[in-house]
Amino acid sequence: SQKIEQNSEALNIQEGKTATLTCNYTNYSPAYLQWYRQDPGRGPVFLLLIRENEKEKRKERLKVTFDTTLKQSLFHITASQPADSATYLCVLGNFNKFYFGSGTKLNVKP
Amino acid sequence: EADIYQTPRYLVIGTGKKITLECSQTMGHDKMYWYQQDPGMELHLIHYSYGVNSTEKGDLSSESTVSRIRTEHFPLTLESARPSHTSQYLCASSASGGANEQYFGPGTRLTVT
Repeated sequence: SQKIEQNSEALNIQEGKTATLTCNYTNYSPAYLQWYRQDPGRGPVFLLLIRENEKEKRKERLKVTFDTTLKQSLFHITASQPADSATYLCVLGNFNKFYFGSGTKLNVKP
Repeated sequence: EADIYQTPRYLVIGTGKKITLECSQTMGHDKMYWYQQDPGMELHLIHYSYGVNSTEKGDLSSESTVSRIRTEHFPLTLESARPSHTSQYLCASSASGGANEQYFGPGTRLTVT
């Protein structure tokens, strides 16, 4: 069965640094990958979509890469701020099927 | 303003009661979803619908049921609530098409005593 791995340990970084979150997957060939942000007690919010034929996508301070050979996506937040502290989820999808990762908690310290 | 709404936001109810969690969206999305999430844990898909009169069970077995009589409305019902149903329930919707992002509601925090 397919498996999505996101680092279960929280990532702690200093304000102003670049945060890099990892999403690895096995036994699956996704057509697309999405990243969401989730704050405690709230629903996830969509951030970025990248398709299998794309290597990199950017949106303001966010950048996502997608390596289908390594079966890995990296999510970068540059010039991180305390307000970026949240849990970040990756989602793999193909046609009408999709899978959520368990998320990685990011703590940005002032 | 297009949005997705869930009511109630918080519900404390006794064992054995029947409850309905409401979810409505004003975006005209064909696809709607219900997820269950415990604090600090991952999302689990329990029901989804790709249109009116279409409902399917998700990856996580659930004793709840859903209906989709109108495009904008996707209520979830528990016929007899139990303490094991205590959780947060999140509703989401997305447009038709393979990779459309999901828009989530604020969630309902359910506590069954």
